[in-house]
Amino acid sequence: GENVEQHPSTLSVQEGDSAVIKCTYSDSASNYFPWYKQELGKRPQLIIDIRSNVGEKKDQRIAVTLNKTAKHFSLHITETQPEDSAVYFCAAPQRGSQGNLIFGKGTKLSVKP
Amino acid sequence: GAGVSQSPSNKVTEKGKDVELRCDPISGHTALYWYRQSLGQGLEFLIYFQGNSAPDKSGLPSDRFSAERTGGSVSTLTIQRTQQEDSAVYLCASSSYRGGYGYTFGSGTRLTVV
Repeated sequence: GENVEQHPSTLSVQEGDSAVIKCTYSDSASNYFPWYKQELGKRPQLIIDIRSNVGEKKDQRIAVTLNKTAKHFSLHITETQPEDSAVYFCAAPQRGSQGNLIFGKGTKLSVKP
Repeated sequence: GAGVSQSPSNKVTEKGKDVELRCDPISGHTALYWYRQSLGQGLEFLIYFQGNSAPDKSGLPSDRFSAERTGGSVSTLTIQRTQQEDSAVYLCASSSYRGGYGYTFGSGTRLTVV
């Protein structure tokens, strides 16, 4: 089945700096890659996603890039703010399934004011 | 409903007891998923429903775990003879699409086995 690896597990940045989180996946047939943000004690929420027919997608300060050849995708957050502090999860569809996602282990991002 | 609703929000149970966790998905969402999140860990897939059927039960960790969905809506996850290692947050998500698109998560049930 699909395997998703996420790095780093923790990331600390100064307010205003950029943050990058990387994920690799194993199934070359995967075609959808979402990112979820989970604030402490709250539910995971979808913040951005990308499909395999594009290489980059941007939404204000957040962007996701996809390299299908290398089977990796990354989340980029620019001009970080304290409210960006959370755990971020990447995901990819499980091979052979009709819909469940396999999630990475998560990255705890801390933005220091 | 407006979102995915899970109940109870917190459950403390004694080791060996059975528990039932409930998920009420967004109205019209045909796909429903259960995940488990242990303290500081990622999201472990448990089971997926499309309508009332569960084509993929591979994620259930043992035969003490079972789940059902009735009327294409509410789902219950049952854990029999609970163990301390079952302590975790159990998250439910629903979607109107296949392929992993458009998950909306509930707030979860925090299960503590003492």
